[in-house]
Amino acid sequence: KQEVTQIPAALSVPEGENLVLNCSFTDSAIYNLQWFRQDPGKGLTSLLLIQSSQREQTSGRLNASLDKSSGRSTLYIAASQPGDSATYLCAVEKGYAGKLIFGQGTTLQVKP
Amino acid sequence: DTAVSQTPKYLVTQMGNDKSIKCEQNLGHDTMYWYKQDSKKFLKIMFSYNNKELIINETVPNRFSPKSPDKAHLNLHINSLELGDSAVYFCATGDGPPETQYFGPGTRLLVL
Repeated sequence: KQEVTQIPAALSVPEGENLVLNCSFTDSAIYNLQWFRQDPGKGLTSLLLIQSSQREQTSGRLNASLDKSSGRSTLYIAASQPGDSATYLCAVEKGYAGKLIFGQGTTLQVKP
Repeated sequence: DTAVSQTPKYLVTQMGNDKSIKCEQNLGHDTMYWYKQDSKKFLKIMFSYNNKELIINETVPNRFSPKSPDKAHLNLHINSLELGDSAVYFCATGDGPPETQYFGPGTRLLVL
């Protein structure tokens, strides 16, 4: 059974810091991995999708890496801003009709 | 234009009632999903439909019945509501494979 774990559960940093969020999964046979952002009281917004054949994806100040063999992914946020404050969720897709299995998220607070 | 919309946004009801949540998408995607996010913010898939056909049914009580009248709509009907049904329900669509999923704003259900 696929399990997805995110560490830490919460993180508070001063503005401008570079930071790393971690995601681990127990079954390396994944189709792809996605990182989402969820703002309080809102839906999820997809940030990055990494296919199983890829090692990383970048979008602006965000960089996500994938190491299938070790069952790990990281989301790197450069030069953090208060607007980055949100909960970040990673999810793996097993290839079964788009079924996503989510971690419980890391709640990030960036202080001005 | 809202890509994935849900109605209602909030739903407060008594135990034992029957209620429906509607989801509509204007992205033209073939696949639609229902997710449940519990009080601990854990997000879990409930159902998926592809071209109006049920693809995933994740051990959800049969009090929950999804209905897809057309590709742009996936509604969720819940019979005999229980306290444990209180959660946020998200509709999503997928554009894959590989698939990025797009989430609606959520429906906050409170059963009293």
